[in-house]
Amino acid sequence: EVQLVESGGGLVQPGGSLKLSCAASGFTFSDSAIHWVRQASGEGLEWVGRIRSKGNNYATAYAASVKGRFTVSRDDSKNTAYLQMNSLKTEDTAVYYCTRGSNTPTDYWGQGTLVTVSS
Amino acid sequence: QLVLTQSPSASASLGASVKLTCTLSSGHSSYAIAWHQQQPEKGPRYLMKLNSDGSHIKGDGIPDRFSGSSSGAERYLTISSLQSDDEADYYCQTWDTGIVIFGGGTKLTVL
Repeated sequence: EVQLVESGGGLVQPGGSLKLSCAASGFTFSDSAIHWVRQASGEGLEWVGRIRSKGNNYATAYAASVKGRFTVSRDDSKNTAYLQMNSLKTEDTAVYYCTRGSNTPTDYWGQGTLVTVSS
Repeated sequence: QLVLTQSPSASASLGASVKLTCTLSSGHSSYAIAWHQQQPEKGPRYLMKLNSDGSHIKGDGIPDRFSGSSSGAERYLTISSLQSDDEADYYCQTWDTGIVIFGGGTKLTVL
C-alpha cells in the first residue's frame, strides 16, 4: 500500500524557516518524483514544487510564488523527501501535502501537515 | 498561458448523474489532465488521468461510477448513481515542463 506521511508543520513567525518531511512507503521511492502541493484554508490547491528521481538528475521546479525561498530535496536511502521553507510570509499559511508523481504529478496524496505563519 | 477553468459549483440529486467540466486554455487542447476529489475536511484523492482522446486510467479503488471523457479543450468527469459521500470539491490538474496547474475546483452538492 502506497503511503505518504508528512510531518514538521507548526507555527512560525514571518521571516522564519521550517522544514517539512515526507516519509514514503509501499512503492519504489527512488524511481518516483515527489511534488508538494498546498491549500490555504477555504481555498483551492496550489502546486508548490517538485523533485524528480536520480534518473532524471533530481531536477527541481518551483511555483513562482515560492521560487528562491523554498527548496525541495530528497534522501532516497531514507525514502524521504523534504521541503525547506525560508523567508516565510503570512500568505504561506496552508496545509502542505506531498504527492507521488507517476503517470501524473499526483497519483497518491499524503494526509497533509499544517503550517501557520503568524506573529 | 496554461490555465484550467472550472465552474465554481454544481448540484444533482441523489441517485442521478452529473457531468463536471474542466476547460483547457487556448492552444492546450491536446493536454492530459487529472481529476481529484476532496471530501469535506479531508485531503485530496486522485480519481483518474484523462487523455485528450477520452481514454482514462483510474486510481486504485475508484468505483466504476466515475468516468472521464474529452471533447476538444473540454475534459469531463461524470459521476453516476450519485451518493451522499460524492458531495465534495473536484479539482482538475494539468502539467507541462516544470509546472503543474490546478483548476479552481467545483463544489458538488448532492441534493
